[in-house]
Parts: sequence; C-alpha cells; structure tokens
Amino acid sequence: ELKVEQNPLFLSMQEGKNYTIYCNYSTTSDRLYWYRQDPGKSLESLFVLLSNGAVKQEGRLMASLDTKARLSTLHITAAVHDLSATYFCAVVVQGAQKLVFGQGTRLTINP
Amino acid sequence: DSGVTQTPKHLITATGQRVTLRCSPRSGDLSVYWYQQSLDQGLQFLIQYYNGEERAKGNILERFSAQQFPDLHSELNLSSLELGDSALYFCASSWTVTGELFFGEGSRLTVL
Repeated sequence: ELKVEQNPLFLSMQEGKNYTIYCNYSTTSDRLYWYRQDPGKSLESLFVLLSNGAVKQEGRLMASLDTKARLSTLHITAAVHDLSATYFCAVVVQGAQKLVFGQGTRLTINP
Repeated sequence: DSGVTQTPKHLITATGQRVTLRCSPRSGDLSVYWYQQSLDQGLQFLIQYYNGEERAKGNILERFSAQQFPDLHSELNLSSLELGDSALYFCASSWTVTGELFFGEGSRLTVL
C-alpha cells in the first residue's frame, strides 16, 4: 500500500526566510501533485510533476521530483504572509488508478 | 473557480439521519472522486468513479454509498449519521483516472 509522508507537518516561519517541505512516498510512482488549501476552503492545484527530475516554479514556490529517491520537495523562497496555508502532496499509485494524499503541512508565516 | 460544483455548501442534521451530497464535475471530466476531511484525520479518500463505474475504493464506511450517473454527476449518500461523520466532504474531478484533480468548494456536514 502506498504511503505518503510529509515533513514537517507544522511549520512556523518568518517572512523573508527560505524553507523546504518534503514529501516521501513508499512505492513507485511517476506522477505527483502539490495542492494548497486555505482554512475552510477548497484545494487549489499548484504543481503537476510528471517525470524524474521535473522542476516547476511559480512565484516564490518551486517544486521538484526525484522518482528514484521517491521524494518531492516544495521550496519556499523569501516567504510572505500570503503563503500561509496547508500544503498537500498527492501521489498516483501506479497501476492502481488511485491518488494518495500526504497528511498536509500547515505553514504559518509571521510578519 | 475550479468548475466543480458541490451542493449543499453547508448541512446541519441530527444523528441517525441520512443526507445526500451532490457533485457536478468539470465539463468533459469523466472521473469523480470523493474525499472526507476532518480535523483529526486529514484528507481521506473515499471512492472514485470513472464514466459511471466504480474505479477505486478507499476508507468508505458501509453506511456511505455513492454513484455516478449517466450525465456524470455524482452523489454521496451518508446514512445512520454519527457525530464523527461531521466533516468537510470534497468532490474532485479529472479527465483521466489519474489526471490532475480539480476540487469543488466542499460540503460542510455537521451532525448534532
């Protein structure tokens, strides 16, 4: 059974700092998604990573995928308060047509 | 706006009751997913349909059932409700069975 683990689960940081959220998964997959969720709101798609070595950037967020290490990272550069949210990674189970979400990382950025 | 529509947005009911949550996927999407999100258990996958057929099942209780209709909208039926069923229920859709998911705004269920 595919397990998806995010680290850390809670992160409080100051504006202007850099940090990385990690997403590890336990079985083979070549497709990974990152989502953002504001409190009480829906999930918004951030990145779709489809192959080993894929890197995508949007503003202060950059996501990468290493399928050999079964690891994806979401890097935040010079954080701003507006990035405060919960971030989820989700991994496709190869052959099972199923998407499994990590536990989510609750990010709080303090002014 | 993701294009996925869920109704109702909020629902308050009593224990033992039955409710139906409705989801209209994005135009052209054939796959519909249901997720439950509660404070203590994160985002739990319940069930997935593709073009009217059940494709994958997650941690869905026997008291819960779902279906996808020929027009591709889906309904999640929750019966014999318990306090612990209080949660935000999300529907998501995608074009393929493992494609990028687009989420609706959710239906917040409160069981008193």
